[in-house]
Amino acid sequence: GENVEQHPSTLSVQEGDSAVIKCTYSDSASNYFPWYKQELGKGPQLIIDIRSNVGEKKDQRIAVTLNKTAKHFSLHITETQPEDSAVYFCAALPGNQFYFGTGTSLTVIP
Amino acid sequence: KAGVTQTPRYLIKTRGQQVTLSCSPISGHRSVSWYQQTPGQGLQFLFEYFSETQRNKGNFPGRFSGRQFSNSRSEMNVSTLELGDSALYLCASTRAPNIGSGANVLTFGAGSRLTVL
Repeated sequence: GENVEQHPSTLSVQEGDSAVIKCTYSDSASNYFPWYKQELGKGPQLIIDIRSNVGEKKDQRIAVTLNKTAKHFSLHITETQPEDSAVYFCAALPGNQFYFGTGTSLTVIP
Repeated sequence: KAGVTQTPRYLIKTRGQQVTLSCSPISGHRSVSWYQQTPGQGLQFLFEYFSETQRNKGNFPGRFSGRQFSNSRSEMNVSTLELGDSALYLCASTRAPNIGSGANVLTFGAGSRLTVL
């Protein structure tokens, strides 16, 4: 089955700096890659996604890039704010089951 | 548009008991999947149902079971509870997670937090 690896597991940045989280996947059949943000005590919320026919997608301060050849995709958060502090999960969909990374705990230091 | 609703939100059980958790997906969503989340373990896939059929199953013992009803609502059951079953159980729904369908956005509920004493 698909194997999704996510790095780093923890990340601390100063407010205003950028944060980058990287994921790799193994199954070339994967063609949909969502990113989720989970705040304490809540379920994961979709923040951005990308399909395999697109190389980059941006939504305000958040962007995702996809390199199909290398089988990796990344989440970029610019101008980080304290409310960006949360756990972020990447995922891949090769068929009808989602495969998730192990999560990155992001802390934005005011 | 109502989101994914999970009940109960919190519950406490003792070892050996069983528990049933409920999930109502977003209207029109036919696929429901369940995940177990424990500190440091990420999202562990339990199973996925589509049109009342279990299509995928994760690597959990047979004490974990589930079902889906004709209205797409789903329940999961854990029998003979163990201390290690304490976790946040998340349900997520999607219209139909198939390649190329364009309907694969997965929406999570808030979860049911189970504590086993």
